[in-house]
Amino acid sequence: NAGVTQTPKFQVLKTGQSMTLQCAQDMNHNSMYWYRQDPGMGLRLIYYSASEGTTDKGEVPNGYNVSRLNKREFSLRLESAAPSQTSVYFCASSPGTVSNQPQHFGDGTRLSIL
Amino acid sequence: GENVEQHPSTLSVQEGDSAVIKCTYSDSASNYFPWYKQELGKRPQLIIDIRSNVGEKKDQRIAVTLNKTAKHFSLHITETQPEDSAVYFCAALKAGSGGYQKVTFGIGTKLQVIP
Repeated sequence: NAGVTQTPKFQVLKTGQSMTLQCAQDMNHNSMYWYRQDPGMGLRLIYYSASEGTTDKGEVPNGYNVSRLNKREFSLRLESAAPSQTSVYFCASSPGTVSNQPQHFGDGTRLSIL
Repeated sequence: GENVEQHPSTLSVQEGDSAVIKCTYSDSASNYFPWYKQELGKRPQLIIDIRSNVGEKKDQRIAVTLNKTAKHFSLHITETQPEDSAVYFCAALKAGSGGYQKVTFGIGTKLQVIP
């Protein structure tokens, strides 16, 4: 049982390049989330998908787009990468039907923008 | 919106001593409070959680307490071991629209257990 799988694990981009981060979960969860983690700032929500077919902005959505491809997969796209987007990106999922259940995280993607 | 404050930001303890990390939240609608442990370069992993209808929960060496009136909750680790060294995050969750969990994380506490 893999849980939440993210690809790639590491990536280096040049400013202006585009890239899609992939996330898939095998727990039949309804809700999926993308966070970025920066030193001293904890985890900040970029976008979320409460259920298949819906997506909404989180706390820091600028410069990103998302696609909920199906119930399992939720991708994050950087259209024109900027150095400020250098970060560790985590995908998470939760059952989604009630609030009092934990989110499960993937291993993260470490992204550097030069 | 919700605001979660976490203290201290760093904590060093001797092996075998106890460690306490505290969080406060602002939104009384928050009803679920998980704690995550994140080792260097790894994913955040749930270690214990507490729901708003419970005051205390214990799992072996770790425990969490919740004071709804004061809007604070704490993580207690007893008999600390070197493998407890990590960053610990608290979080406060409430239901958003359509099944979305509106979650706010604390900024984390870096715990160092000195052998």
